[in-house]
Amino acid sequence: DTEVTQTPKHLVMGMTNKKSLKCEQHMGHRAMYWYKQKAKKPPELMFVYSYEKLSINESVPSRFSPECPNSSLLNLHLHALQPEDSALYLCASSQGDSLNEKLFFGSGTQLSVL
Amino acid sequence: DAKTTQPNSMESNEEEPVHLPCNHSTISGTDYIHWYRQLPSQGPEYVIHGLTSNVNNRMASLAIAEDRKSSTLILHRATLRDAAVYYCILRVLYTTSGTYKYIFGTGTRLKVLA
Repeated sequence: DTEVTQTPKHLVMGMTNKKSLKCEQHMGHRAMYWYKQKAKKPPELMFVYSYEKLSINESVPSRFSPECPNSSLLNLHLHALQPEDSALYLCASSQGDSLNEKLFFGSGTQLSVL
Repeated sequence: DAKTTQPNSMESNEEEPVHLPCNHSTISGTDYIHWYRQLPSQGPEYVIHGLTSNVNNRMASLAIAEDRKSSTLILHRATLRDAAVYYCILRVLYTTSGTYKYIFGTGTRLKVLA
């Protein structure tokens, strides 16, 4: 199984809603990532978890709250988002401790904030 | 953080070789060079990576300059299915946490003509 599964595929939410994005992998990877991608732009790193601990936060606003309940799961909790937060949110995973490793990406959640 | 620069777009005829360039003049000695591609409505997909030596796999070849300040992704025979955005990425050690960051370049949109 070399898949990273993201749910939901599409999400529409209002600015006062609370929602969560979910990401799952069963490759035994110990590093998991959240990226944000605006249309026609490259993905931008948001967070990195390593061995279930938050290792990198790229100065992301607190309305985005990541969580790593176990080594296979990664969540992104959303609250009080702005319309400019509308984007494709990509999850990725990697072995986390290998010089020769690579990233595996999910297909993303397309988020629209109204 | 180290940066990569790529041409915005390139065109190729089907079944001809394609050379996609990337400049990374601020690369550090331990940064790996990765290439991923992204098809519409999908997450990025791994293509190839390397550190110093040229690399070949079933998808492509990676030629790395001797000073490591640039690299070229080579698709030996482009097909219509190779039309995608190709990202040159540096895998950089985030020294504070010992975690690696994958930093995307701006990407090259490859168009393959039948």
